Amino acid sequence: GQSLEQPSEVTAVEGAIVQINCTYQTSGFYGLSWYQQHDGGAPTFLSYNALDGLEETGRFSSFLSRSDSYGYLLLQELQMKDSASYFCAVRDTGGFKTIFGAGTRLFVKA
Amino acid sequence: DGGITQSPKYLFRKEGQNVTLSCEQNLNHDAMYWYRQDPGQGLRLIYYSQIVNDFQKGDIAEGYSVSREKKESFPLTVTSAQKNPTAFYLCASSLTGTYQPQHFGDGTRLSIL
Repeated sequence: GQSLEQPSEVTAVEGAIVQINCTYQTSGFYGLSWYQQHDGGAPTFLSYNALDGLEETGRFSSFLSRSDSYGYLLLQELQMKDSASYFCAVRDTGGFKTIFGAGTRLFVKA
Repeated sequence: DGGITQSPKYLFRKEGQNVTLSCEQNLNHDAMYWYRQDPGQGLRLIYYSQIVNDFQKGDIAEGYSVSREKKESFPLTVTSAQKNPTAFYLCASSLTGTYQPQHFGDGTRLSIL
């Protein structure tokens, strides 16, 4: 089977940097992706890592280590609007199903 | 603008009643998905379809049914067999390929009267 673990909640102050970790167990691996979801809204795609290393997109970066079955999402220069839930996700062995983690709720304080 | 439209935004179901949630996309995506989200939880896959006239069960398909008669449409029926249907339902679509991100609709919130 496949499973993902991420912290349930993280709190940080405006302007700071926060890292949200994700560890996974999969029978096959097709990359790790991250989605953001504001309360009551639709998840939106943030990033995808197929290979080891860091991917940077503006204030957001995502890292993957396949040997450690581990990845993280790094949010810099935090803004109040970044308060949301963040989900890591992997595709299953067949490549068509995406398995989501339970999500990390980020609270950004002034 | 292209996107995914889910309707209605809020839906109420009586005991023993089937209800159908609509999902339409104009992104020309082959793959479509239905997820269920409970408060404070992640997304659980109900059904997915990679191509018209074909669909597969996800992890929690019991009590649900779908159809894929058109590329643009992937309606979900919540049957009376689903004993705990109160949840937030999200529809998504994507291109097929090595990796393609999923694009989500705004969701339908289903409650039991």
